[in-house]
This record gives sequence, C-alpha cells and structure tokens, in this order.
Amino acid sequence: GNSVTQMEGPVTLSEEAFLTINCTYTATGYPSLFWYVQYPGEGLQLLLKATKADDKGSNKGFEATYRKETTSFHLEKGSVQVSDSAVYFCALSDQAGNQFYFGTGTSLTVIP
Amino acid sequence: DADVTQTPRNRITKTGKRIMLECSQTKGHDRMYWYRQDPGLGLRLIYYSFDVKDINKGEISDGYSVSRQAQAKFSLSLESAIPNQTALYFCATSDTGRSGELFFGEGSRLTVL
Repeated sequence: GNSVTQMEGPVTLSEEAFLTINCTYTATGYPSLFWYVQYPGEGLQLLLKATKADDKGSNKGFEATYRKETTSFHLEKGSVQVSDSAVYFCALSDQAGNQFYFGTGTSLTVIP
Repeated sequence: DADVTQTPRNRITKTGKRIMLECSQTKGHDRMYWYRQDPGLGLRLIYYSFDVKDINKGEISDGYSVSRQAQAKFSLSLESAIPNQTALYFCATSDTGRSGELFFGEGSRLTVL
C-alpha cells in the first residue's frame, strides 16, 4: 500500500541554519509528492510539489527532489528564518490522484 | 473570504451529543475530503467525495458520517460524540488529476468532554 514516513520532530534550529527534513515513501506506480506547511492556528497549505522522478520542487527557498531510486523527497532550505517556524508534512497522492497520504508531520522552531 | 470555509471553528460538547461540522468551498472543485489531525499521528482521512453522488469511507470512518449537499458543501457528523473524537478536523478540496493539490480550510477544533 501507499505510505509516507518522515523525520520525527521537533526540530529546533538557529536562524540562518541549514534545514533538512527527511521523507521516504512507499507507493505503487508513479505517485506525486508534496510538502505542505501548517503555520500556527492555520490549515495546511502547499509548499512545493513534484510529479515525476528527478523533478525538483521549490518555493520560498525550500527545495525537494523526487528520488525514485531511494523513494525519497527530502525537504531542504539553506538558511532558515524565524518565520519558517511551522509544522511540515510530507505527502503523496496515488497514481490516479484519488487519495492523499500524509506523514506524521515535523515541527520546526527557528530561534533568533 | 477563504476559499474553503469550515464552521464552527471551535466547539466544546459532551459525550453522547450529536455534532455537525460544515464545510463550504468556492473553488469549484468536485473533490472534497474530511481529515482528522491528532498530535503525532498526522492527518488521517475520514471520508471523501468525488461528486455529489459519490461518498467513500477513508481510513477512520467509524463513528462518523457525511453528507454532500451540493458540489460546494460537505458536512461531517458525529452521531454520538465520544472523548477520543477530540481532535482538529480539516476539510479539503482538490481538482481532478494526479498532480492536483489539496486546498484546506482553517480547521475545526472539537473537544468532547
């Protein structure tokens, strides 16, 4: 079946530090992969996505590359800011785009 | 106004009461979903609907029911609430296609005493 496993949190970083949040997946066929972000008190919103192998999604300085050989979609940012403090969810949609599967979320706190 | 609107945003109720959470959307999407968020468990799918006549159970549908009143409206009901249904509930919509993203409401926080 389809599933997503992501790095346990919480993660605390100093401003301008490098961020990596690991995400691996299990899926049949060719899923699409997503990172969603949830700011305090808000719903989830799409951060970036990739729809096929070797695609790189990017947005707001965040990047993730769809690696089929390692079934991974790790989230990275070179220099985090206090405003990046949020919960980050890795997700996949099945090949037909019918269902979405989420990881457990990783809480990030960035301190000045 | 938000594209996906959930009401109520917060609700405290007692065990055994019937509760309805409502969701409406202005995105024109056919697909609507109800998720539940619990700390450490991420989001789990309760029900989903691909059009007005299509309702499907998700991973954790026991104790819940839904109604798709129109393309834009999708309600979640707890017929007899119990404390372990205390959670943050999200409605989401999606366009068709495998690269379609989910658009979420701001959530409804339910506490069952």
